[in-house]
Amino acid sequence: QSILTQPPSVSGAPGQRVTISCTGSSSNIGAGYYVHWYQQFPGTAPKLLIYDNNNRPSGVPDRFSGSKSGTSASLAISGLQAEDESDYYCQSYDYTLNDWVFGGGTKLTVL
Amino acid sequence: EVQLVESGGGLVQPGGSLRLSCAASGFTLSSYSMNWIRQAPGKGLEWISFISTNGATTYYADSVKGRFVISRDNAKGSLYLQMNSLGAEDTAVYYCARDPAGAGYFDYWSQGTLVTVSS
Repeated sequence: QSILTQPPSVSGAPGQRVTISCTGSSSNIGAGYYVHWYQQFPGTAPKLLIYDNNNRPSGVPDRFSGSKSGTSASLAISGLQAEDESDYYCQSYDYTLNDWVFGGGTKLTVL
Repeated sequence: EVQLVESGGGLVQPGGSLRLSCAASGFTLSSYSMNWIRQAPGKGLEWISFISTNGATTYYADSVKGRFVISRDNAKGSLYLQMNSLGAEDTAVYYCARDPAGAGYFDYWSQGTLVTVSS
């Protein structure tokens, strides 16, 4: 069971906007630690998508955005494209565990 | 171009040991803290170990503490993970990942290497 909770799956049609939630607690996201997001295609390594809550590394389309509020964070993908079909993971730090922690992952299906 | 290339994975018997290596290129390894992260088949990501830029500070997840040892050789541009007393629960793809400036996230990942613990 992951410290950060994500929905197992989300879906949307091409062109739509979808959001993926990441719920933590007062010892991680709620404590002010940044949230980061990764995209992972089957059989490949994760790729950094969003860092420090809402920053995009160079090369990541601005269709991807992140936000954080209280003990939760969200990844939004607008203008959904078939190539966005992938697994997405949130990540933060937990001070009671002294560990970097991940969400369980969300599989995005583009209908 | 930043590259992290792993080696050393494979099949090992329960109770056995294995050493993973991660060769860094395209950047100065000594300037970055590094991590090992694993992913069991069909499961999510699990952070397992951190090492500071000079190797003086290391952290481990409880699941591997006392069994795994992270180390680095900056002169050789390499990161290592010595894994001992392996069990079936350690079966996973293992990734090394770079942490830019101790920022707490992972900006570059290796291709991953599969470790299978089975008799």
